[in-house]
Amino acid sequence: ILNVEQSPQSLHVQEGDSTNFTCSFPSSNFYALHWYRWETAKSPEALFVMTLNGDEKKKGRISATLNTKEGYSYLYIKGSQPEDSATYLCLNSGYSTLTFGKGTMLLVSP
Amino acid sequence: DAEITQSPRHKITETGRQVTLACHQTWNHNNMFWYRQDLGHGLRLIHYSYGVQDTNKGEVSDGYSVSRSNTEDLPLTLESAASSQTSVYFCASSELGITADTQYFGPGTRLTVL
Repeated sequence: ILNVEQSPQSLHVQEGDSTNFTCSFPSSNFYALHWYRWETAKSPEALFVMTLNGDEKKKGRISATLNTKEGYSYLYIKGSQPEDSATYLCLNSGYSTLTFGKGTMLLVSP
Repeated sequence: DAEITQSPRHKITETGRQVTLACHQTWNHNNMFWYRQDLGHGLRLIHYSYGVQDTNKGEVSDGYSVSRSNTEDLPLTLESAASSQTSVYFCASSELGITADTQYFGPGTRLTVL
């Protein structure tokens, strides 16, 4: 079983702040790293999937990077808005395994 | 629009009863997954299927079974429900393989075992 760790566990920022979270994973048995956004009372929604070392993805104010050699990925949110409040999950998919981290819960106050 | 649905959305049952949770997707995806979500554990994989007649065990498969008789459905059965199986269950599907493809999640089923 892969061990996927996310930090911080929770984060409270003010509107307009930029923030970032970390997902660490064992670099062995790695195939892809996914980020999902999960709003309360809804289902997880995909943000990014990355497979190559050095990959960078961007969607609006949210971006992510991947380092497969050291086993981590960063998710960045620039200029946080209240609607960004959600739990952000990372998923490490190996060749026959799927392991989610426990998530980072983000709260953005107006 | 294509979607993935789960039923029931809420279920209360008693210890020892057999329970089946339904998952239906209209994406025509080959791959389907069942997860459970518990405080302190995040989402954990129960079973998954790559296609019709294919099923595979995930991280926490004990006490659960699935069957895949068609592309659209992957029902999850709890053979003899236990209180430890009280959880929120999510079904998901993806088009390509288990690894690099995006998963689309259903709305979840909250199961309480008394």
